[in-house]
Amino acid sequence: AQSVTQPDIHITVSEGASLELRCNYSYGATPYLFWYVQSPGQGLQLLLKYFSGDTLVQGIKGFEAEFKRSQSSFNLRKPSVHWSDAAEYFCAVAGYGSSNTGKLIFGQGTTLQVKP
Amino acid sequence: GAVVSQHPSRVICKSGTSVKIECRSLDFQATTMFWYRQFPKKSLMLMATSNEGSKATYEQGVEKDKFLINHASLTLSTLTVTSAHPEDSSFYICSARARLQGELFFGEGSRLTVL
Repeated sequence: AQSVTQPDIHITVSEGASLELRCNYSYGATPYLFWYVQSPGQGLQLLLKYFSGDTLVQGIKGFEAEFKRSQSSFNLRKPSVHWSDAAEYFCAVAGYGSSNTGKLIFGQGTTLQVKP
Repeated sequence: GAVVSQHPSRVICKSGTSVKIECRSLDFQATTMFWYRQFPKKSLMLMATSNEGSKATYEQGVEKDKFLINHASLTLSTLTVTSAHPEDSSFYICSARARLQGELFFGEGSRLTVL
């Protein structure tokens, strides 16, 4: 069965420190992978996505993620966290093919808290 | 960039009433829209896929008669929660895919509270 696991429910980092949010997926075919950010009471904003090609993907707001097929992982990283990065982060996977790309399976989310 | 708008952003209703939530793609045509439900502190769960001009496709376990979805035009999909109960209280989020681009854009969500 298709699934996405974000092992860390809650992470706290100091402002300026580096960040890594973990994401593991289970999908039988070639996955499309996404990271979204959600601020309180808001919808989702796409940070980055991986469809194919270079396994290191650059996104908005200084985020990047690396697709590792051997580990079934798609971890999100940022070298220096800003207080405004505090939010909920969701990893998601979608199926290959235009008919499936909208049917996202989301992980449980990771709440990021940033200490001053 | 592409924008998806939901209305209302917040709604409070009495138990037993019906509530309609709109999802509009403002600057692109969306042949397909998706409705998600998000419980507090939980992930998003896909409820249904809404296709313009045809019946929605519901995910397993989602009651079709309770959550009515209509995709009347290429820019509008509506979710109607019928005979709402307190357990229907949740955050509902829609997403839309532009016809050619394929990327998903999410609305800001609608918080439903059923008293």
